[in-house]
Order: sequence, then C-alpha cells, then structure tokens
Amino acid sequence: SQQGEEDPQALSIQEGENATMNCSYKTSINNLQWYRQNSGRGLVHLILIRSNEREKHSGRLRVTLDTSKKSSSLLITASRAADTASYFCATGSRSNDYKLSFGAGTTVTVRA
Amino acid sequence: GAVVSQHPSRVICKSGTSVKIECRSLDFQATTMFWYRQFPKQSLMLMATSNEGSKATYEQGVEKDKFLINHASLTLSTLTVTSAHPEDSSFYICSAEGGRDQPQHFGDGTRLSIL
Repeated sequence: SQQGEEDPQALSIQEGENATMNCSYKTSINNLQWYRQNSGRGLVHLILIRSNEREKHSGRLRVTLDTSKKSSSLLITASRAADTASYFCATGSRSNDYKLSFGAGTTVTVRA
Repeated sequence: GAVVSQHPSRVICKSGTSVKIECRSLDFQATTMFWYRQFPKQSLMLMATSNEGSKATYEQGVEKDKFLINHASLTLSTLTVTSAHPEDSSFYICSAEGGRDQPQHFGDGTRLSIL
C-alpha cells in the first residue's frame, strides 16, 4: 500500500540551482529511502536514513528526517541536467516485513 | 554494487498470450524478491513478495492465478502474466532485497503492451 505523499509533484529548475523535495508518511517507520527513476527505467537507490537518524549526506545529496512530523526532505545541490528524473521516497517498517511503501514521486527537470 | 537483471525489457503481444518476465540477481543471492507494477506517471505498487523455495505472498487485490510467481533459485524469480489482456499493459519492475532494513536493488523494468 502507498503511504507517502511527495511535494511538489513536479519541479523545474535551472542547472546549478538547488532542488528540494519533501515526503510525508503516515505510520511509524524503521527507515526511509530515496530512489531515482530515469524515464522508462528501474529505480536507483540514493540514500537510506534510519528512524534514529536526523540527517544524511551523499555527494550532492542531503536527506533529513523528522519522525515527530513524519516527514523527510531530499536536497540536491548544484543540480545538473543529468539529475533530471523522478524521485521517490519509500518507507520500510519492521511491522510490515520491511516491504517498501512508495510515495507518489517528484518529477524534476533541470534546464541547461 | 548489487546488480539485478530483468528480461525482457519490452514485450508487445496479442490478447490471450501468457508472458514470462525474468528477474535475476547477478552477483548476490536473493532470498526475497519483489514484483511491482507502475502505471504512467504514477508510483510503484507492490504486487507480491517472492520467497525462494516457498509460495509468493500477494498484496490485496492482486490475482495470484493471473500473476504467477516462481522463485526456484536464490538468483531467479519469474513473473508470468497469464492470458494477458489490454488492461494488463503496464510497466513491471522487480527488485531484490539486499537484507532486512537495507535498500532494494531494482531491475530495469519490463514494458508490457497487450494489443
């Protein structure tokens, strides 16, 4: 079942700008993951953040998690045309056997 | 890194045909694999969990006789869409579990078009 909501649905930015997208969820979780999907392709894992973590970095990516607000954000800094893709958050919970529940996704377009 | 190979990438066939999609973990053993369905511009919906050596677990609303799953080895799971009809046209994606509380590794998806 789908429990995440993402905001915004779509985002268009200029190359070099930062892109921020948010994810909210409804039930308690053990981890929250961000994935990227290029058009017509599978998903690529970006970052996994656990419920006891507040922030994580990987290269130009920064993820925050606020379990009190049941929300997460993904920041892409200094965006590039190659960052154009759909980004999905997904939550994993022990109570659900760690099956992933995906958000609706944010489509990011980076203009050269 | 972990690689999951999914074949075929695209299938176009006539209504009534059964279609088999393969999902292989190339460099690791996957006790658990997942099958998802994705409609255009929408999110991934989990269809079923494929467990090596045992029956698949289907999500609510997914017909197990329509979508047959076999996970005969630690590196291969197959999804067979039986007697496919146009409403079965979709993008099907598999993934392999990297471990409990770990990221999943996704295949590149199969675009299924039923005429």
